[in-house]
Amino acid sequence: GAVVSQHPSWVICKSGTSVKIECRSLDFQATTMFWYRQFPKQSLMLMATSNEGSKATYEQGVEKDKFLINHASLTLSTLTVTSAHPEDSSFYICSASWGATEAFFGQGTRLTVV
Amino acid sequence: SQQGEEDPQALSIQEGENATMNCSYKTSINNLQWYRQNSGRGLVHLILIRSNEREKHSGRLRVTLDTSKKSSSLLITASRAADTASYFCATDGGTSYGKLTFGQGTILTVHP
Repeated sequence: GAVVSQHPSWVICKSGTSVKIECRSLDFQATTMFWYRQFPKQSLMLMATSNEGSKATYEQGVEKDKFLINHASLTLSTLTVTSAHPEDSSFYICSASWGATEAFFGQGTRLTVV
Repeated sequence: SQQGEEDPQALSIQEGENATMNCSYKTSINNLQWYRQNSGRGLVHLILIRSNEREKHSGRLRVTLDTSKKSSSLLITASRAADTASYFCATDGGTSYGKLTFGQGTILTVHP
């Protein structure tokens, strides 16, 4: 089956610093990757959709200057949380798909900003 | 925005009993998927049912889909304590396959 690897699985950072999360499709070329965020005891909310080689499309209410998404290759997308603050603490999870197929999820990253 | 609504929000049962969770959605879909999430962990894909399918089985799982009512149900038979988790439905309805809209989730607790 298709495997998506997300790294790191957890990270603690100081307020004001930036954190980069990687999402890799290991055995397929992902034309599209999705980034979701999940606050404690809540459901997953789509943050943005990224297509290889083009700018990401952000959902309403998601600050594109704060959550930088790069999808430079067909196997890697990165999410950078810039100038992180405690309210950015959350579970971030990516998924990847190719063409008209279902998406496959990474393991998720738990970000804690102190 | 969250399209799906799930009920119940929480379900507590004894081991061996069946658990039924329902999901409703608002727009047309390509498929509907069910996921399990253990506390603080990633998602486990359970089952995908396409819009032209009405019922699907996988082990102890049975999923139904009623597109006329825009609803789906997940039945877990003979539940086990290890089934304790949050369960989410997710709809895939846009032109971009894989872009999912998640329901609010049902927290299932199975008591041994």
